[in-house]
Parts: sequence; structure tokens; C-alpha cells
Amino acid sequence: GENVEQHPSTLSVQEGDSAVIKCTYSDSASNYFPWYKQELGKRPQLIIDIRSNVGEKKDQRIAVTLNKTAKHFSLHITETQPEDSAVYFCAASISRGGGNKLTFGTGTQLKVEL
Amino acid sequence: DADVTQTPRNRITKTGKRIMLECSQTKGHDRMYWYRQDPGLGLRLIYYSFDVKDINKGEISDGYSVSRQAQAKFSLSLESAIPNQTALYFCATRDSGIETQYFGPGTRLLVL
Repeated sequence: GENVEQHPSTLSVQEGDSAVIKCTYSDSASNYFPWYKQELGKRPQLIIDIRSNVGEKKDQRIAVTLNKTAKHFSLHITETQPEDSAVYFCAASISRGGGNKLTFGTGTQLKVEL
Repeated sequence: DADVTQTPRNRITKTGKRIMLECSQTKGHDRMYWYRQDPGLGLRLIYYSFDVKDINKGEISDGYSVSRQAQAKFSLSLESAIPNQTALYFCATRDSGIETQYFGPGTRLLVL
């Protein structure tokens, strides 16, 4: 089955700096890659996703890049703010026939320091 | 997201007890999922259902069972709870035409 590795497990940045979280996946058939943000005590919520026919996607201060050849994708957060502090999970899935089983990475605890 | 609810939110039980966690959704989604979250391990899929007649095992289904009572309800049972099933459990839903999964608020389970 699919295996997703995520690094780093913890990341501390100064407010205003950029943060980058990286994930690799094992199944070359995977074609959907979402990123979820989980604040302390809350549920995971989708913040951005990308499909395999796109190399990059941006939404305000967050962006995701995908390298299908290397089988890795990354989350980029620019101009970090204290409210960006949370655990971030990447995931991968093979979307075909209506199926969508997400395999998650182990998470990155991002701390934005003042 | 109040459209996906889970009960109970917290539960303490003893080893060997049978317990049920419930998930309800008002989104009208046909696909429903159960995950468990453990520190350092991320979210792992237990079971998933594409409709009331379709139930599938995920990567860690041993020791668990599920029931899809209606399109809006998906229950997870621990037949005989053991301490290593102590975890945070999330239900999620998804519409068949859209990739995004929406999570419930979670149930924190402690097995003594």
C-alpha cells in the first residue's frame, strides 16, 4: 500500500519567516495530495490540495508544490503568523472509480514564535 | 464543522468492555471513514464505507467493527477494548464527486 513520510516532525520559525514541510510518497499511482491543519484540540481541516496534473498551487500565504518524478510534495507558508502554529498533515491517495483512501504522514508540529 | 458530529466526545472504559462510537452527518455525503490518531503516528484508517451496503477494512481494522445504519450514520465498535486502543478517534465524510474529507470533532477514548 501507499506510504507517506513527512519531515520535519517539529519546526520552529520566527514570525514573518517562511516555513516548509516536505512529504514523500511511495505509490506512483497516487494523484491527489491534500494538506490538513490541526489546531490544538481541534479537528483536522483541509487548507490546500493539489492533483497530479498540476505542479504548483497557491492560496494567499500558502502554496504546495508537487514533483511527480521524485514523488515528493511540499507545503510552503510565507510570512508566518502566530495563528499558523498547529500540526500539519500531508496525505496522498489514488483517486479512481470514486475511491479515495487517504494515507497520512505523521505530522509536523509548527511553532511560530513572536 | 457542526455538520459532522461524534458521540461521545470523551469516554473512559475498562479492558474487555464493548463500546460504540457514533458518527452522524447532515452533509448528505455518501462516503464515511473512521480514523484513529496517535501521537507521532498521524491518522490511520480503520474502516470506510462508500454507501450503506459497502463496508471496507482500512489499514488497522483488527479489533474493530463498524455499522452503517443509514447514509448519515456510521458507528465504530470495539468488541473487547484493550489499553492500546487508547487514542483519539475521528470520523470523516466525503461526497463522491469531491475529494475533500470533512472531519468530525473527535472522540477521546481511554481504555484502562
